[in-house]
Amino acid sequence: SQQGEEDPQALSIQEGENATMNCSYKTSINNLQWYRQNSGRGLVHLILIRSNEREKHSGRLRVTLDTSKKSSSLLITASRAADTASYFCATAGGAQKLVFGQGTRLTINP
Amino acid sequence: KAGVTQTPRYLIKTRGQQVTLSCSPISGHRSVSWYQQTPGQGLQFLFEYFSETQRNKGNFPGRFSGRQFSNSRSEMNVSTLELGDSALYLCASNPRSEKETQYFGPGTRLLVL
Repeated sequence: SQQGEEDPQALSIQEGENATMNCSYKTSINNLQWYRQNSGRGLVHLILIRSNEREKHSGRLRVTLDTSKKSSSLLITASRAADTASYFCATAGGAQKLVFGQGTRLTINP
Repeated sequence: KAGVTQTPRYLIKTRGQQVTLSCSPISGHRSVSWYQQTPGQGLQFLFEYFSETQRNKGNFPGRFSGRQFSNSRSEMNVSTLELGDSALYLCASNPRSEKETQYFGPGTRLLVL
């Protein structure tokens, strides 16, 4: 079973708008990571946030982590057509493996 | 540095056959992990190798196996293929750990007929 659950499963917005995706998980973690996957291709690492961090930025990306609620959010500002992809959160905890959620499919409309 | 490479990129096999997939990690990366991605089950961890030793294993049957060579290149093998093995198989590498940032290859798409 998946550790992370992304919400929403699919999101469609207009170019230039902000996109927010959420991830909830069940057990304690060491870090939480976000990845992007363009249709049927390999995953690209976007950002890693550790359990003792609350917020992290990378370019147009902003990630927050609330360990008390066991949730994280990924915000993409000023979206572009090239941001169209699936986004996955992955958690690393006590289990010796990275566990991925089911992903959010983001579509940016021109 | 060159990225993670996987060969072949596409493969068609029939039920009962076996298949071997190959992965070359980023130079200097000693941890290599394999994942299976399907529309129904999503991304699932298969196993991780570090310095030629299997360090972690996911919940897959024994038909799925792997190995790692001294140059960190890794192969995974699936024997007695089933229709449900059709998937995108992804390889990822990291200098030390499968729990830190993973650098993924483009994947091998396997279709079992």
